[in-house]
Amino acid sequence: DADVTQTPRNRITKTGKRIMLECSQTKGHDRMYWYRQDPGLGLRLIYYSFDVKDINKGEISDGYSVSRQAQAKFSLSLESAIPNQTALYFCATSDSSEPADTQYFGPGTRLTVL
Amino acid sequence: GQSLEQPSEVTAVEGAIVQINCTYQTSGFYGLSWYQQHDGGAPTFLSYNALDGLEETGRFSSFLSRSDSYGYLLLQELQMKDSASYFCVADNYGQNFVFGPGTRLSVLP
Repeated sequence: DADVTQTPRNRITKTGKRIMLECSQTKGHDRMYWYRQDPGLGLRLIYYSFDVKDINKGEISDGYSVSRQAQAKFSLSLESAIPNQTALYFCATSDSSEPADTQYFGPGTRLTVL
Repeated sequence: GQSLEQPSEVTAVEGAIVQINCTYQTSGFYGLSWYQQHDGGAPTFLSYNALDGLEETGRFSSFLSRSDSYGYLLLQELQMKDSASYFCVADNYGQNFVFGPGTRLSVLP
């Protein structure tokens, strides 16, 4: 089984809908991250969490919210989806005992907002 | 803020050596890492430098010079499977991670 899983893998929705993307990990890591990637570009950090009670905004948090339900689960919500949120979304984890840059990524969720 | 620059594309032949450069401008900097991403896949961690100098991991090496705000990834004995995008990532004391725009490496037979 994969260490970092994301559901759904693909989602098509309409403008104005609320969408939740879920991430689960079995690596036992305390840190989790959400990124988005637009075609031909690098990843941009949306939110990150260093433990269950710690939530921090990243570079592009506007229009998004997150919830860290447990150490192993970190969900990303789009309260009212808009077309420019169409992108590939990645969840990642890392462990505080390792250099924080050693992140392990899930397979990604491809979101299309019509 | 932070910004990173990388060449957009690099082409090389199998068995060759290629160097992908990365320059960064940051208001705070802790370390530089490198990730590989194949088309349609997730980024995978390659290397991390917190100190100046060279880090070697098999065919891949990474270098950092803090005084020059510069780093590079060196890939030796190129294989076809190395064709992918490579991203440098700046770490601002673990508070934020900024990806470069990526360098697409094409390895030719």
